[in-house]
Amino acid sequence: EDQVTQSPEALRLQEGESSSLNCSYTVSGLRGLFWYRQDPGKGPEFLFTLYSAGEEKEKERLKATLTKKESFLHITAPKPEDSATYLCAVPESNDYKLSFGAGTTVTVRA
Amino acid sequence: DGGITQSPKYLFRKEGQNVTLSCEQNLNHDAMYWYRQDPGQGLRLIYYSQIVNDFQKGDIAEGYSVSREKKESFPLTVTSAQKNPTAFYLCASRGTVRAGELFFGEGSRLTVL
Repeated sequence: EDQVTQSPEALRLQEGESSSLNCSYTVSGLRGLFWYRQDPGKGPEFLFTLYSAGEEKEKERLKATLTKKESFLHITAPKPEDSATYLCAVPESNDYKLSFGAGTTVTVRA
Repeated sequence: DGGITQSPKYLFRKEGQNVTLSCEQNLNHDAMYWYRQDPGQGLRLIYYSQIVNDFQKGDIAEGYSVSREKKESFPLTVTSAQKNPTAFYLCASRGTVRAGELFFGEGSRLTVL
């Protein structure tokens, strides 16, 4: 059973064109939702942790928000260097295991 | 600098051969993980270890083996029993304070010829 679903699979943006990525989850009793950034051929890099509905976190042009069923990663006025695959993850019943979504690949054209 | 080092970055293997991927960390983390990543799929957990001399199977452990003899090291062996081993392999570690914050290595890309 899929616990984490990300959409869209790919997103192509013009520089400066703001957009949002979606991460929906089905786990009950959420104990955190985590966003990562992955550059091609590299390991993922941690971005944010969200714990409760209504919580928001920001980093440069990225803002992550959380509701009871999903999380959004908003990219405001993106630049080409924001091009990457963005992954979200939630802990499984065993907190040592994270369930990852398939990711959204963002390409920002100058 | 603290971090995770994976080697080799690229590896080619003939069918029927076992290969071992190295993962070393100097972050003093207790927990370490091996994930497999295939195009269009999320990271899938192969094995994880919460402490030295202990490890557990993840979702796709068949055809893989690990050891955890030292806190810093968590090597992964891809055996000939793994039917489709060509993939990108990622090692990660985690401290105890921030549960969801995994630190990943640069990855090892294995190609079976």
